[in-house]
Parts: sequence; C-alpha cells; structure tokens
Amino acid sequence: ILNVEQSPQSLHVQEGDSTNFTCSFPSSNFYALHWYRWETAKSPEALFVMTLNGDEKKKGRISATLNTKEGYSYLYIKGSQPEDSATYLCALRSYNTDKLIFGTGTRLQVFP
Amino acid sequence: DAGITQSPRHKVTETGTPVTLRCHQTENHRYMYWYRQDPGHGLRLIHYSYGVKDTDKGEVSDGYSVSRSKTEDFLLTLESATSSQTSVYFCAISETGRTGPNEKLFFGSGTQLSVL
Repeated sequence: ILNVEQSPQSLHVQEGDSTNFTCSFPSSNFYALHWYRWETAKSPEALFVMTLNGDEKKKGRISATLNTKEGYSYLYIKGSQPEDSATYLCALRSYNTDKLIFGTGTRLQVFP
Repeated sequence: DAGITQSPRHKVTETGTPVTLRCHQTENHRYMYWYRQDPGHGLRLIHYSYGVKDTDKGEVSDGYSVSRSKTEDFLLTLESATSSQTSVYFCAISETGRTGPNEKLFFGSGTQLSVL
C-alpha cells in the first residue's frame, strides 16, 4: 500500500500570513501528484495536477511545486485569507494504476 | 460541474444490517470510485470501477462489495454493517471519463452513515 504523508496535520495562521505545507510520497513508479482543497461540509475540489519533476502550478494566491526525484510536493498560500480555511489533500497516482491514493491532509485555519 | 448524485445523504442503521449506498452520474464516464473519510485518515479508497461489471479493490475493501450493472450507477454495499464502518462515504468520477495521470476527480456530496 502506498504511503502518502502530509505535514503538518494542522496549521493555524493569522490573516495575511503566508504558509506552506508538504506532501511526501514514494518516488518509484510516480505518475502524477494531485492537490485538492476541501472545505467543511463540502466536497473536495481539485486544485492542481502535476506530472513532471520541477513542475510549478499557480492559481491566484496558491501555488505548488513538485520534486519527483526526492518524492515531495509543497503547497504555498501567499497572504492567507479566512476563506482559505480548509483541509488540503494531496493524492498520488502511480504508474500503471487507476487508483488515486490520498494523504491524510493538512487542516488550515486562518484567523481574521 | 460533473453530475454526481449520492443517495441517501444520511443513513442511520444498526449493526449487522445490510446497507447499500448509491452513486449516480449523468456524465456517462467510465471510471467511478468509492472513498470513505475518517478523522486522521483523509480519504481512503474502498473500491473503484473502470466499466460496467469491471471493478477492483482499493485500500480498505474488507467488509464492502460493489456492483456496476449500468454505466451511470455504482453501488456500494455493506453486507453486515459494523460500528467501524460509521463514516462519510464519497463517490467520485474522473474529470473526462478516461484514465490517465492528469485526470482530476469530481466528488459527490457524500453520504453520512452511522452504524449503531
């Protein structure tokens, strides 16, 4: 069973702070790394999909990087806002499988 | 947005009873997935389907079975519900209906199941 790890488990920041969290995964058989945002009482929604080593993706104040050789991805939020409060999940797809395996998530709370 | 409907939205049942959750999609997509969400575990894959009558196990398939007799419906059955199966269950389909590294998942609204 693949082990996708996320850290920290939870994070509390003030409005305006920038923050980042980590997703670690086994680098063998890597195919793609997904990031999802999950607000309380809603369904997870896809943020990014990255496939190439060195990939960087950006959506507004949120960006992500990927290092497939060492098996990690970072998600950055610049100038956090209360509406960024959510659980951020990463998920790994390995080569030759249809399965998407999720990490346990980082729960972010942004205080005004 | 992808048309995914889960039913029921909420279910309370007793230990030992069978329970079936339904996921219905209007996108005619081939790939469908069942996940469960528990505190401290994120989303864990139970079973998935890659076509009518084609299914495979995920990470936590024990105690669950699935069926896909039509493209649009993917059923998850708990043959004999246990308290450890109290969870929120999410169905998902891939973005374009195909498989591949860039295929994002679209999730249904979830089913809250409580087994007493």
